[in-house]
Amino acid sequence: GGIITQTPKFLIGQEGQKLTLKCQQNFNHDTMYWYRQDSGKGLRLIYYSITENDLQKGDLSEGYDASREKKSSFSLTVTSAQKNEMAVFLCASSMTANSDYTFGSGTRLLVI
Amino acid sequence: GDQVKQSPSALSLQEGTNSALRCNFSIATTTVQWFLQNPRGSLMNLFYLVPGTKENGRLKSTFNSKESYSTLHIRDAQLEDSGTYFCAADNTGNYKYVFGAGTRLKVIA
Repeated sequence: GGIITQTPKFLIGQEGQKLTLKCQQNFNHDTMYWYRQDSGKGLRLIYYSITENDLQKGDLSEGYDASREKKSSFSLTVTSAQKNEMAVFLCASSMTANSDYTFGSGTRLLVI
Repeated sequence: GDQVKQSPSALSLQEGTNSALRCNFSIATTTVQWFLQNPRGSLMNLFYLVPGTKENGRLKSTFNSKESYSTLHIRDAQLEDSGTYFCAADNTGNYKYVFGAGTRLKVIA
């Protein structure tokens, strides 16, 4: 079996700071995703990458950058952390676009 | 409006009883996924569906693409079934899954 790992589990940053969240998967999946989940709410798509050299904006991409460094890793950068974006950031991967997802355990962001 | 609408938003079930969760779509959808998020926050994939029905243990899920809805039936609810259930629909042609707001389920003894 494979695993999808998000680091760090908890991230504390100052307002205005640039912060990077990392995601690694060893399923050899083509497609990777970053979602944001605000407390008690559903998931909203920030960025996704269909294949190794692809990068696509989701509905919530403003204020974020992403990088698919290689097939197994997908990073998300918060360009200037704001207090209203304290949330859990979830990474997922799937064999191809439109196949079933496996999620990581999340990175909880706190902005002070 | 909501592209993926889940109902009910919250539910309390007696252990051993049955229930159904529903997801209605206002977008063209080819496949549906159901997830359970446990109280610690981990998301587990329950079903990946094309139109039709799948069953796994006490869980059964149906996706009706013509009428744009999906259901998740829980039979003989157990305490460990507690958590938040999310459905997600792929926005056909966009390679993006849109998530509903979730159904918070609490199973009580």
